[in-house]
Amino acid sequence: EVQLLESGGGLVQPGGSLRLSCAASGFTFSTYVMSWVRQTPGKGLEWVSTINDGGDKIFYSDSVKGRFTISRDNSKNTVYLQMNSLRAEDTAVYYCAKNLQWSYFDYWGQGALVTVSS
Amino acid sequence: EIVLTQSPATLSLSPGERATLSCRASQSISSYLAWYQQKPGQAPRLLIYGASSRATGIPDRFSGGGSGTDFTLTISSLEPEDFAVYYCQQRSIWPLTFGGGTKVEIK
Repeated sequence: EVQLLESGGGLVQPGGSLRLSCAASGFTFSTYVMSWVRQTPGKGLEWVSTINDGGDKIFYSDSVKGRFTISRDNSKNTVYLQMNSLRAEDTAVYYCAKNLQWSYFDYWGQGALVTVSS
Repeated sequence: EIVLTQSPATLSLSPGERATLSCRASQSISSYLAWYQQKPGQAPRLLIYGASSRATGIPDRFSGGGSGTDFTLTISSLEPEDFAVYYCQQRSIWPLTFGGGTKVEIK
């Protein structure tokens, strides 16, 4: 059974940093593309970033480019999202997702809430 | 960026009825479209990808169609567990984008 477990969410002040982790199990992690998708009440679902199986091909949305960094450790079956220079508009539930055919999302974690507020 | 417009915003139907949801893309995306279902407090679940292929474990009352700019998700006969919010998503061009959602509620 595929399982994705996010951790690292919480409350952070504007301009601060946070690192999300997503521990994967139930599939051969090192052979799959992984992504982060976020959801806010006002803007619905928003794709954030995608990393390929080897970690050498990465995509970001314009809204996080230059501030967020996605990475993975295939020895630990974990994908990360380092979030710097956080803004109020980054407040959202962040989902880790396993990709199907590169850019569909066939399995999702339970989500990690990130709140950016002073 | 490709904009996906879903309609209607809310669909009020009774169990057993047929539901037809629409997703329109701002430019052609061939068949690179997926549909997701989301219930309150849960993560989205992939229903359909490639416009018409059902994901693993998805009942055959869910079907997808369309290509180019116009797509539909049809639920042939609504079950009580089908009342939820449905999103479309395109993977034709980066950035990947989602529609704003259609809520299917009990009439």
